Amino acid sequence: DIQMTQSPSSLSASVGDRVTITCRTSQNIGTYLNWYQQKPGKAPKLLIYVVSSLESGVPSRFSGSGSGTDFTLTISSLQPEDFATYYCQESHSNSYTFGQGTKLEIK
Amino acid sequence: EVQLVESGGGLVQPGGSLRLSCAASGFTFRSYEMNWVRQAPGKGLEWLSYISSSGSTVYYADSVKGRFTTSRDNAKNSLYLQMNSLSAEDTAVYYCARLQYNGQSYGADYWGQGTLVTVSS
Repeated sequence: DIQMTQSPSSLSASVGDRVTITCRTSQNIGTYLNWYQQKPGKAPKLLIYVVSSLESGVPSRFSGSGSGTDFTLTISSLQPEDFATYYCQESHSNSYTFGQGTKLEIK
Repeated sequence: EVQLVESGGGLVQPGGSLRLSCAASGFTFRSYEMNWVRQAPGKGLEWLSYISSSGSTVYYADSVKGRFTTSRDNAKNSLYLQMNSLSAEDTAVYYCARLQYNGQSYGADYWGQGTLVTVSS
């Protein structure tokens, strides 16, 4: 099975900051990598698919990059509504494994 | 409007069984692959199962393989998760999610609101 490791597990930042979240996979997954945002008590929301493609309606301050085993999610200028937990997910294998999540909190 | 509505959650004793349902509307259900995902209290997301659009192909996470069965009824626009031999570790909110093919791979673009399963005596 593919193992997914996100870092950091939590992150404190301020409105307007640029933040980067990293996802590392135990096997080469090419570009089969999605990112989700989840707010407390809500279902996850798809943000980015195939590493860098923004889902419809997702603001352009969100971006993704990487390939193979190392991937990043970047938020260029944090907005109040961006404070949430973020998950990466591989879609390369027959198990759509998630990373453990990164909780983004207000500093 | 795409909607996914889970039902069937509740309190069940250890060793018991439960069947979850996911009612789909607002899209051509038979054309989409689906996932089940769960989230234990205060924990992260755990992928459980994938089912193809026809229902002919199903994959499971190791944690539920042999205990959980995913099925679908395209005539009823419904997805199911039969859960057997439940333990406290299965306590979680269970989500169904639609998989959208983007030309290369899949992402879960619509999710239900989740249904809570609590396994306790």
